[in-house]
Amino acid sequence: EPEVTQTPSHQVTQMGQEVILRCVPISNHLYFYWYRQILGQKVEFLVSFYNNEISEKSEIFDDQFSVERPDGSNFTLKIRSTKLEDSAMYFCASTLGRTHTNYGYTFGSGTRLTVV
Amino acid sequence: GQNIDQPTEMTATEGAIVQINCTYQTSGFNGLFWYQQHAGEAPTFLSYNVLDGLEEKGRFSSFLSRSKGYSYLLLKELQMKDSASYLCAVRNFNKFYFGSGTKLNVKP
Repeated sequence: EPEVTQTPSHQVTQMGQEVILRCVPISNHLYFYWYRQILGQKVEFLVSFYNNEISEKSEIFDDQFSVERPDGSNFTLKIRSTKLEDSAMYFCASTLGRTHTNYGYTFGSGTRLTVV
Repeated sequence: GQNIDQPTEMTATEGAIVQINCTYQTSGFNGLFWYQQHAGEAPTFLSYNVLDGLEEKGRFSSFLSRSKGYSYLLLKELQMKDSASYLCAVRNFNKFYFGSGTKLNVKP
């Protein structure tokens, strides 16, 4: 079964540093998403991406965040200057089409970001 | 705003039946989804309801009442491996709003 893959599985970074989280969505999918989950809290929507642009973003997704699809396979989330409160699990997901979320997402296994 | 409520924690016995409730008040609604999440792992899709009524899927069933803003997930013949968090999520177009999750402890 096709999978969404994320790298790295765990990243530790110093406050103020830039980090890039990488995702390889399922190959024929067209919509891409990032969610985050702070330890012990709910899964929160960050951003959705389609046709090389952001289609929707939450209020969490401020100017420190950016997303990019640099080539035909990767989908990245960049945090420019990390803060302690950015420590969380970051999940990537993809769907074939907008309506295909009837089947729920397939999430990647996540990247645990620890900001020290 | 989006408000999705579910109990924080529940305990049940192996072989028993447990019902996890979820109430929601959201600005948009395109379906109610249930996910299972083991500690440190990604959520995995269990079931969804877009119309009122009961959907059955093996040991798992999910119910929806849109007029009441209410859903439940029913787990039958509980197994130890069912110990996990169960997340209620409301879909609004192509994004999801998640509840905080119900941690289910299954004891022998």
